[in-house]
Amino acid sequence: ELKVEQNPLFLSMQEGKNYTIYCNYSTTSDRLYWYRQDPGKSLESLFVLLSNGAVKQEGRLMASLDTKARLSTLHITAAVHDLSATYFCAARLSSGSARQLTFGSGTQLTVLP
Amino acid sequence: NAGVTQTPKFRVLKTGQSMTLLCAQDMNHEYMYWYRQDPGMGLRLIHYSVGEGTTAKGEVPDGYNVSRLKKQNFLLGLESAAPSQTSVYFCASSSDRAGRGTEAFFGQGTRLTVV
Repeated sequence: ELKVEQNPLFLSMQEGKNYTIYCNYSTTSDRLYWYRQDPGKSLESLFVLLSNGAVKQEGRLMASLDTKARLSTLHITAAVHDLSATYFCAARLSSGSARQLTFGSGTQLTVLP
Repeated sequence: NAGVTQTPKFRVLKTGQSMTLLCAQDMNHEYMYWYRQDPGMGLRLIHYSVGEGTTAKGEVPDGYNVSRLKKQNFLLGLESAAPSQTSVYFCASSSDRAGRGTEAFFGQGTRLTVV
C-alpha cells in the first residue's frame, strides 16, 4: 500500500522568505505530482516528476525528486502573497496494474505581508 | 478544451436516497479516479479504474459503487446516502504515457450534502 506524507501541514511565512515543503512516499512510485488548490476550487497541476534527480521550476516554485530516498520537495523562493494556497503532492504506484494515485494531506501555505 | 467534466456541481440528498455522479473526460486517458475531500483530511481515493470495464477499490470504498462502461466515463454511485458521505467529490484522469501529457487532470468537483 502506498502512503504519502507531507510536512509541514501548515506553513505561515513572510513575503520574501524561502521555504521547503517535503513529501515522503512509502513504496516504489513511477511519477510524483504537485498540485495547488485555492479555497473552493479544483486542483491545478504544478509539476510532474518522472525520474530520479528530476528538477522542474516555474516562477518561484521548484520541485525535485529523489527516488532512492522516496522524497520530493517543493521549494518556494521569495514568497509572495499570491502563493497562498494548499499544496498537495501525490504519488502513483508503479507495480502491476494497480495504478493508484495517492495524495498527501496537503500543506496549507499562508504568505503574510 | 473540456478536459474533465463532473456533473452535477452541487447536490443535496436526504439520508437513504441514491444518486450517481458522472465524470467524463475527452483526453482518451486510460486511468480515472474518484476522490473525496474532507476538511483537514486531504484527498482520499474511493475507487479507480485502469481501463474500460475495470474498476478497483481505493482507500475508502464502503458505501460507493463505480462503473466504467465507456473509456471516457466513470460513474460513482451512492446507493443509500448517509450524512458521513457529505463531502466534496473530485474525479481525475491520467494517461500511462511518459513525457508530455503525464499530468493527472481534475474535474471541478461536486459538493454533496446529505441531510
